[in-house]
Amino acid sequence: KQEVTQIPAALSVPEGENLVLNCSFTDSAIYNLQWFRQDPGKGLTSLLLIQSSQREQTSGRLNASLDKSSGRSTLYIAASQPGDSATYLCAVGTDKLIFGTGTRLQVFP
Amino acid sequence: GAGVSQTPSNKVTEKGKYVELRCDPISGHTALYWYRQSLGQGPEFLIYFQGTGAADDSGLPNDRFFAVRPEGSVSTLKIQRTERGDSAVYLCASSLSTAMNTEAFFGQGTRLTVV
Repeated sequence: KQEVTQIPAALSVPEGENLVLNCSFTDSAIYNLQWFRQDPGKGLTSLLLIQSSQREQTSGRLNASLDKSSGRSTLYIAASQPGDSATYLCAVGTDKLIFGTGTRLQVFP
Repeated sequence: GAGVSQTPSNKVTEKGKYVELRCDPISGHTALYWYRQSLGQGPEFLIYFQGTGAADDSGLPNDRFFAVRPEGSVSTLKIQRTERGDSAVYLCASSLSTAMNTEAFFGQGTRLTVV
């Protein structure tokens, strides 16, 4: 059974810091991995999708990497801003998405 | 449509009542997914559809939960004899296909409170 773990569960950093969020999964037989952002009381916003054949994807200040063989993905956020404060969820995709429990990020001015 | 639409956004119901939650996916998306999210947890898979048929309903917690997608577009999640433990945010997502090589897009969710 696929299990997805995210570390840390919560993170508080000052504005401007570069930070790394971690995601690990137990079964490497995945189609893709997707990172989402969730603001309080809101739905999920897709940030990045990495296909199983890819190693990384970039969008603006965000960079996500995937090491399928070791069951790991990282989301790198450069020059963090208070507007980045949210919960970040990773999900591994087979025929459906299996989610981790998320990392709650707070960026303070 | 521009995005996945879910209605209602909030639903409060009494224990034992029947509720229906609606999901309107992105136009042209053949795959539709339902998830349930409790406070502080990641979304938990319930069921997904490819077209009109339920391809995997292994996440439905018990037979009080049922979902339909009769015309391959709008889907309704139905919960009978609601219990307080059913209180959660119910999320719907759609994607171009179920191969999951395509990006999934989520709605804003329906917050269900059973009192």
